[in-house]
Amino acid sequence: ELKVEQNPLFLSMQEGKNYTIYCNYSTTSDRLYWYRQDPGKSLESLFVLLSNGAVKQEGRLMASLDTKARLSTLHITAAVHDLSATYFCAATNDYKLSFGAGTTVTVRA
Amino acid sequence: NAGVMQNPRHLVRRRGQEARLRCSPMKGHSHVYWYRQLPEEGLKFMVYLQKENIIDESGMPKERFSAEFPKEGPSILRIQQVVRGDSAAYFCASSPDRSLEAFFGQGTRLTVV
Repeated sequence: ELKVEQNPLFLSMQEGKNYTIYCNYSTTSDRLYWYRQDPGKSLESLFVLLSNGAVKQEGRLMASLDTKARLSTLHITAAVHDLSATYFCAATNDYKLSFGAGTTVTVRA
Repeated sequence: NAGVMQNPRHLVRRRGQEARLRCSPMKGHSHVYWYRQLPEEGLKFMVYLQKENIIDESGMPKERFSAEFPKEGPSILRIQQVVRGDSAAYFCASSPDRSLEAFFGQGTRLTVV
């Protein structure tokens, strides 16, 4: 069974500073997803990472994948308030997504 | 092209009642997946359906839960005789193929009182 661990579970960020969220998974995965969820809302797909060494960036967010270490990171550059949300990573074999527990991010001034 | 549509968005049921959750996949998507999110947790896979067929129901509780995806109409997740522990957000996702990214609906938040 594919297990996914995320850390930290809670992250209080100061505006303007950089932070990283880590996602480890237990067995081989086809793809690695990062999602954002705002309270009471659905999941918004941020990144899909397909291969070892993949790096994707969108605005202040950058995601990377190391398949040998079974590790993905989500790096946040110069945090701003509107990045406050819960971030999930999910690994997949075939169709089934296995989610981490999520990282709740709060950005303070 | 409308996204994945789920209804109702919020559902309140008394213990022992039945809950029916509906999911209309995106146009052109014949693969549907249901996930459950308990408070403060990540999503957990429940079931994967392709038109008229259950492909994988390994995440479904053995009793009281069932799912279908008929030839016509939405996919239905049915929970009989609900208990407080069934209170959760239930998300549906769809994809055009099992190997492609699935897109999530807004979810149905079930509260059992």
